[in-house]
Amino acid sequence: DGGITQSPKYLFRKEGQNVTLSCEQNLNHDAMYWYRQDPGQGLRLIYYSQIVNDFQKGDIAEGYSVSREKKESFPLTVTSAQKNPTAFYLCASSPRTGSYEQYFGPGTRLTVT
Amino acid sequence: RKEVEQDPGPFNVPEGATVAFNCTYSNSASQSFFWYRQDCRKEPKLLMSVYSSGNEDGRFTAQLNRASQYISLLIRDSKLSDSATYLCVVPNDMRFGAGTRLTVKP
Repeated sequence: DGGITQSPKYLFRKEGQNVTLSCEQNLNHDAMYWYRQDPGQGLRLIYYSQIVNDFQKGDIAEGYSVSREKKESFPLTVTSAQKNPTAFYLCASSPRTGSYEQYFGPGTRLTVT
Repeated sequence: RKEVEQDPGPFNVPEGATVAFNCTYSNSASQSFFWYRQDCRKEPKLLMSVYSSGNEDGRFTAQLNRASQYISLLIRDSKLSDSATYLCVVPNDMRFGAGTRLTVKP
């Protein structure tokens, strides 16, 4: 089955620790995205990548880092510099950036205490 | 002005009702738009695309008004299962609206 997988579904960390969220897709999509969603709010773009080994900051990139070493994979690291990391993190992909629909993974719910 | 704006609701309607949501956008160069449905604590799922002439799929109709820069989603004969949050997105900007929450009641 083609799709996007994110793991783990739930993640708990202590404040001050870096944590990496996994995102893998087998849709052969060029573009991948990371969003953050807080309760009762919309999606905010953290980073996106249009091609392997290239990525751009979104609206709220501070405290996050990404890599795109393979087309299929776009991991997100939430660093200790992120002031309010507890949120629902969603990864998405699309054939290319621009006027294309995005397909989402099931998300990772991160709780930092 | 926010790039993509939606009425957050909630919209509470009885089964069988017709309900419509609007989504305004600021990027006049945008050519396509999408409506997503998001169930509680789940990922958004694509519902409909909206291009120049609008789109209809069963009970759902999406339309684009370029002059006023908004898209609309109309749901006819609402079902309990339509209860969800509906997000609009301008893919050129990679911007999602905050969503409109719909609750359909028996």
